[in-house]
Amino acid sequence: DVKVTQSSRYLVKRTGEKVFLECVQDMDHENMFWYRQDPGLGLRLIYFSYDVKMKEKGDIPEGYSVSREKKERFSLILESASTNQTSMYLCASMGLENSGGAQYFGPGTRLLVL
Amino acid sequence: QKEVEQNSGPLSVPEGAIASLNCTYSDRGSQSFFWYRQYSGKSPELIMFIYSNGDKEDGRFTAQLNKASQYVSLLIRDSQPSDSATYLCAVHTGRRALTFGSGTRLQVQP
Repeated sequence: DVKVTQSSRYLVKRTGEKVFLECVQDMDHENMFWYRQDPGLGLRLIYFSYDVKMKEKGDIPEGYSVSREKKERFSLILESASTNQTSMYLCASMGLENSGGAQYFGPGTRLLVL
Repeated sequence: QKEVEQNSGPLSVPEGAIASLNCTYSDRGSQSFFWYRQYSGKSPELIMFIYSNGDKEDGRFTAQLNKASQYVSLLIRDSQPSDSATYLCAVHTGRRALTFGSGTRLQVQP
């Protein structure tokens, strides 16, 4: 079974703080993704990475950056947290060999920015 | 037009009935299709995927794909209250990331 873990389930931060969200997968998947999910807006792709040190912007990258120094780990960074970044953040992992593109999600981090 | 469209619901069915969830997509080049279940406050969980036209069955779940009409559906037989959740349709168009619909909320009434 694919296992994707995220560093925190709940996080409370103050406006202007730098926030790090970490994601680790154990299936040697090349592709990893960060989404945010808000009521009525669905899943929105922030960034993804298809290899170590490689990244691509998703649909809403503003205010975020990412880091992928090791294959199993993908970090999302909020450079200066703002209240409109209060959301559920979901990390996902995807391998192509057997699953045909299926993404597997971590448990999510619910971030509150005060 | 959204790339992947789903009726937001809620879709309400009695326990034991068949729940039918539908999804349409706009990219004719889409290659594979996925159904996820998401309980409130939890992350999406993969239920099943389908690549070829026709039906694919897995236990109480059946995915149906019609590429000519650009729709994919999920049937849940013998619906249980524990099936109450939001169901997300996702499409792999060849981009690295999946494109998700906004989900259909299913309520199974005991």
